[in-house]
Amino acid sequence: GQQLNQSPQSMFIQEGEDVSMNCTSSSIFNTWLWYKQDPGEGPVLLIALYKAGELTSNGRLTAQFGITRKDSFLNISASIPSDVGIYFCAGQPGWAGGYQKVTFGTGTKLQVIP
Amino acid sequence: GAVVSQHPSRVICKSGTSVKIECRSLDFQATTMFWYRQFPKQSLMLMATSNEGSKATYEQGVEKDKFLINHASLTLSTLTVTSAHPEDSSFYICSARDWRGSYNEQFFGPGTRLTVL
Repeated sequence: GQQLNQSPQSMFIQEGEDVSMNCTSSSIFNTWLWYKQDPGEGPVLLIALYKAGELTSNGRLTAQFGITRKDSFLNISASIPSDVGIYFCAGQPGWAGGYQKVTFGTGTKLQVIP
Repeated sequence: GAVVSQHPSRVICKSGTSVKIECRSLDFQATTMFWYRQFPKQSLMLMATSNEGSKATYEQGVEKDKFLINHASLTLSTLTVTSAHPEDSSFYICSARDWRGSYNEQFFGPGTRLTVL
């Protein structure tokens, strides 16, 4: 089946630093999604990407849809303590016009040192 | 924004009992709801897709007779874990798709922590 591998698995950073994490797939996805999950909560959608090569921002977050359609990247600039959590990438195989199953990545745990 | 609730948030039960978890879309109608299971320090794994008024579609390896799903209305889906065992202890998360909204956006509930003794 499809697998999404995220790296790094976890990271500690100083407040104010920029963060980069990526997600790679063994197969093509035509939609990439990035979620954040706080402890004991459900995931919250941060950014959705629909087109290969697309670069989309949401505040301090920027994500890119890889040209090969097999990877995606998430950057967080000027990290703050509330950025702590687990970040999941997710992919959908299909095209617009219908629903396709979401496959979640393995997650990147981010911890910010004040 | 779209809000999805789950009840209960935590449940502890004895082995062999059944547990029902509710998932509600509070301010929108959800033709499709999804049930995920998440073990500690692991990712979310889709268990089943629930469509209002029809049978759920289960992912490979998920026992449909053990995890009963009912999606009787556009705002409510239930997951019943029958004859629960300690290995069923997990974090169960539902999500719902707003039929009017983006085809690919799911709104997640806060999750239900199930502990089977």
